[in-house]
Amino acid sequence: DVKVTQSSRYLVKRTGEKVFLECVQDMDHENMFWYRQDPGLGLRLIYFSYDVKMKEKGDIPEGYSVSREKKERFSLILESASTNQTSMYLCASSHRLAGGYNEQFFGPGTRLTVL
Amino acid sequence: QKEVEQNSGPLSVPEGAIASLNCTYSDRGSQSFFWYRQYSGKSPELIMSIYSNGDKEDGRFTAQLNKASQYVSLLIRDSQPSDSATYLCAVNRAGGTSYGKLTFGQGTILTVHP
Repeated sequence: DVKVTQSSRYLVKRTGEKVFLECVQDMDHENMFWYRQDPGLGLRLIYFSYDVKMKEKGDIPEGYSVSREKKERFSLILESASTNQTSMYLCASSHRLAGGYNEQFFGPGTRLTVL
Repeated sequence: QKEVEQNSGPLSVPEGAIASLNCTYSDRGSQSFFWYRQYSGKSPELIMSIYSNGDKEDGRFTAQLNKASQYVSLLIRDSQPSDSATYLCAVNRAGGTSYGKLTFGQGTILTVHP
């Protein structure tokens, strides 16, 4: 079974803190993704990585950065957390295939609260 | 126009009935279509993927794809209370280097009552 794990299920941080969210997958997937999910707004892509050290902005990258130093690990960084970044953060991974056969598998999510 | 549209529901069906969930998409170049189930407070779980026109069956689930009409559906036969969840439709983004990117619908809330 594909396994995607995230470092924390729940996290509480203060405004202005630097926050690291980590994601690890064990299926040798090329692609990794960070989403946030908010009521009424659905799943929104923050950043996407298609290879080690390669990254691409998603739909809402402002206020976030990412790091992918190893194939299995993808980190999301909130440089200076703000209250509007309170959300559920979901990591996903998939193979990278040109035909579009790219099933994404999700981690359990991190519910982040910024006070 | 939203890229992937679903009725938000809630869709309420009695136990044992067929639940029908619908999704339309705008990108004609999309090739891959997925249905995810998400229980409250949990992450999305992939339940079906479909890549060609027609029906694909897996247990009580049937996915239907009509690319000409840009329409995907999910049928759940013999619905159970444990099927109560939000169902997300996802469609791959076509073109460029978007290999693997998906666009998600807002989700349809399904409630199966005993």
